[in-house]
Amino acid sequence: GENVEQHPSTLSVQEGDSAVIKCTYSDSASNYFPWYKQELGKGPQLIIDIRSNVGEKKDQRIAVTLNKTAKHFSLHITETQPEDSAVYFCAAIGAAGNKLTFGGGTRVLVKP
Amino acid sequence: EPEVTQTPSHQVTQMGQEVILRCVPISNHLYFYWYRQILGQKVEFLVSFYNNEISEKSEIFDDQFSVERPDGSNFTLKIRSTKLEDSAMYFCASGVNRGGTEAFFGQGTRLTVV
Repeated sequence: GENVEQHPSTLSVQEGDSAVIKCTYSDSASNYFPWYKQELGKGPQLIIDIRSNVGEKKDQRIAVTLNKTAKHFSLHITETQPEDSAVYFCAAIGAAGNKLTFGGGTRVLVKP
Repeated sequence: EPEVTQTPSHQVTQMGQEVILRCVPISNHLYFYWYRQILGQKVEFLVSFYNNEISEKSEIFDDQFSVERPDGSNFTLKIRSTKLEDSAMYFCASGVNRGGTEAFFGQGTRLTVV
């Protein structure tokens, strides 16, 4: 089945700097790659997603890139703010298309 | 903004007891899921549910687990005889599309088995 690996596990950045989180996946037939943000005491919140027919997608300060050949995708947060501090999860939907497989999560701390 | 709600937020139960975790998905969603996250580990898929039946389940989802949509609004996860290793955060999710695309998650129920 699908396996998703995520790096780094923790990331500390200065406010205003950029943050990049990387994920790799194993199933070349995977076609949907969401990113979730989880704040303390809350459930994962979908913040951006990308499908396998595009290479990049942006939404204000966040962007996701996908390299299907290398089977990796990344989340980019620009001009980070303290409210960006959270745990971020990448995920993928594999060939069977019935479930999300998650990465291990990245704890992002934005220092003011 | 519509959201998935889960109750209770925290449940403590004795080993061997039955627990029912409750979820109210977003009203126009058709696909429902349970995931869990053991402390320090990845979020893991348990089961997906569509059209009043299970569409897929993981190896974790054995005979001790069951799901139900009893009244058209609630979606429940039952664990018949809890074990210590069932202690985890359980997340319910729902979506309009098959397979978990654009799925919305609840805030989770922390289950502690003692």
